Amino acid sequence: AIQLTQSPSSLSASVGDRVTITCRAGQGISSALAWYQQKPGKAPKLLIYDVSTLETGVPSRFSGSGSGTDFTLTISSLQPEDFATYYCQQFDDYPLTFGGGTKVEIE
Amino acid sequence: QLQLQESGPGLVKPSETLSLTCTVSGASISSSSYYWGWIRQPPGKGLEWIGTVSYRGSTYLNPSLKSRVTISTDTSKNQFSLKLHSVTAADTAVYYCARLPTGKQLWLTTLDLWGQGTLVTVSS
Repeated sequence: AIQLTQSPSSLSASVGDRVTITCRAGQGISSALAWYQQKPGKAPKLLIYDVSTLETGVPSRFSGSGSGTDFTLTISSLQPEDFATYYCQQFDDYPLTFGGGTKVEIE
Repeated sequence: QLQLQESGPGLVKPSETLSLTCTVSGASISSSSYYWGWIRQPPGKGLEWIGTVSYRGSTYLNPSLKSRVTISTDTSKNQFSLKLHSVTAADTAVYYCARLPTGKQLWLTTLDLWGQGTLVTVSS
C-alpha cells in the first residue's frame, strides 16, 4: 500500500495566517491526490482533487500543489471556520489510502 | 438533494458480524457515473478505506480487511451494505458510507459525498 505521511501532525495558527500542510507519498502517485477537511463529529468533506482542482463551493483561499511524491495544501488566510483536521488521500493505486491527518488549532 | 445515510446496530459482540446499510436518496446507485464505498475511523484516529462496490456489484476491498468483508448492493432499495465478520474491539469505529465519482482509473478515485457516519462499538 502507498503510505502517505502528513506534516505537521498538528499546528496552531491565528485567523488571517497563511497555513501550509504537506503530504508525502511513499512512491510517485502522479496527480492522484485529494484533500479533505473534517470538523469534530462530522464526516470528511472533499476540498481538492487531482492535486489542485477545487471542489465546487470550496473557497478560493484553499489551494493545492505538488507532483510526484510531495504535495501541499495551503490556506492563504485562515478563517475561523477552517479550524479542523485535514487529510490527504491517494487514488493512484489500490488500496486507497489516507494520510494521518493534520489538526489545525487556534493559537 | 443527494444524501447518504448509514444504519445498523451500534453495538456488536466480539466474534460476531457487523452489518451496516447505506441508503442513498436523491440519486440512483445504478448510475455508471459513480461507485459506492465504506470508510471507517476509530475514535481519535485517522481514516481507513474498507472497500468499494460498483453499480454492477463488482467489489474492491482493502487487502487488510478483505478476508472478513462483504460489500453488496440492493438496487431495488437503492442501498448498499457492509458486512464485517469476526469482529474484535479493534473494529470499533465510526463507519462512513460515501460516493465515489468514476475517475480516469474508474474506481480509483475520490470520495465526494459522505454520509454522517455511525459509531459501531464492539464489546460484550
